[in-house]
Amino acid sequence: GQNIDQPTEMTATEGAIVQINCTYQTSGFNGLFWYQQHAGEAPTFLSYNVLDGLEEKGRFSSFLSRSKGYSYLLLKELQMKDSASYLCAVRGNYQLIWGAGTKLIIKP
Amino acid sequence: DGGITQSPKYLFRKEGQNVTLSCEQNLNHDAMYWYRQDPGQGLRLIYYSQIVNDFQKGDIAEGYSVSREKKESFPLTVTSAQKNPTAFYLCASNGGLDSNQPQHFGDGTRLSIL
Repeated sequence: GQNIDQPTEMTATEGAIVQINCTYQTSGFNGLFWYQQHAGEAPTFLSYNVLDGLEEKGRFSSFLSRSKGYSYLLLKELQMKDSASYLCAVRGNYQLIWGAGTKLIIKP
Repeated sequence: DGGITQSPKYLFRKEGQNVTLSCEQNLNHDAMYWYRQDPGQGLRLIYYSQIVNDFQKGDIAEGYSVSREKKESFPLTVTSAQKNPTAFYLCASNGGLDSNQPQHFGDGTRLSIL
């Protein structure tokens, strides 16, 4: 079967760094997306990885290891507005498969 | 500004009633998608369309129907056959199912049963 696992919830402190992990088992792999979703709002695109390695975009970075079926999203210099759910999605052979998301709570 | 517009933001359905959720995009995207989001679960694909006048069932199509008469529009009807319709519904679009372009989402419609 196809499966994507993410932690359900994480807590971090404002100004700190947090790493959100995503492991996947899918039929085929054609790229991995990370999205941010604030409560009651639409998901917004953060990053896309298709080759192994680290992609950096400002305070956010995303890493992929295809051999391990593993990705992480790294958020630096956390701000209160980063409180949201972070969704991992894998483009398999036929469609996008979504993880359940990780709710990130930022404390002052 | 280009984007995806979903309406209404909130919708209430009575027993035995069909309701239609609107989705319009001006991004000139070929592909459009409907997802259902329930608490604690990933997005689940209801229907998708890669071209006008063609659409395909996703993982949970039962109790739903769609049409794609125009490139810009992909309405979703939640029929009375869908016994548990309460959820957050999201419409998305991109260049195609085999595209590495991210999907762009509308702001969603929250559907509840009266």
